[in-house]
Amino acid sequence: AQSVAQPEDQVNVAEGNPLTVKCTYSVSGNPYLFWYVQYPNRGLQFLLKYITGDNLVKGSYGFEAEFNKSQTSFHLKKPSALVSDSALYFCAVRDKNSGAGSYQLTFGKGTKLSVIP
Amino acid sequence: GAGVSQTPSNKVTEKGKYVELRCDPISGHTALYWYRQSLGQGPEFLIYFQGTGAADDSGLPNDRFFAVRPEGSVSTLKIQRTERGDSAVYLCASRGPLEDTQYFGPGTRLTVL
Repeated sequence: AQSVAQPEDQVNVAEGNPLTVKCTYSVSGNPYLFWYVQYPNRGLQFLLKYITGDNLVKGSYGFEAEFNKSQTSFHLKKPSALVSDSALYFCAVRDKNSGAGSYQLTFGKGTKLSVIP
Repeated sequence: GAGVSQTPSNKVTEKGKYVELRCDPISGHTALYWYRQSLGQGPEFLIYFQGTGAADDSGLPNDRFFAVRPEGSVSTLKIQRTERGDSAVYLCASRGPLEDTQYFGPGTRLTVL
């Protein structure tokens, strides 16, 4: 079974400061990891993913995430937060070796990011 | 290009009624997923289609839920005898044949009174 934990329900950060949204995961094999963002009354928008290779992945809107295999973490980061970054962020995982499986994603509960002007 | 679209955006129904929710995936995407997102939770997997067939329906909560994709493109999620606990946002996602990323639609908010 695969699972994701987002330990913070809410993260508050001042505009211009760096932000981190935490995510830890559990899979039986090697993970594929994703971050999505959800604005109010909207669907999920893909931000970035880790499949293989460099542990630091860069995505949309200046976001990046660091894969740490030993800590089973995939924290989302941005050097300088914008008010427009305020939204709900979801981390998701799937097992790389799903065999004949569906490659379904397992999501965390989400973290609400508020960037304060 | 066009993304995943879902209709209706909102659906209000009464307990016991039947509802259909529609998903139109990105053109050329053979994989299609349905997820359900309850208030304050992340999306939870319901069913996966590869082409026309339901390859994995392990997430459907009970036999009141059913989905079809007869021509390998548009999919319809059908819920019989709706219950108040079915109230949630139903999300559809599609994935290209050689891709890892699922792209989501805006969702249908279902409210069962």
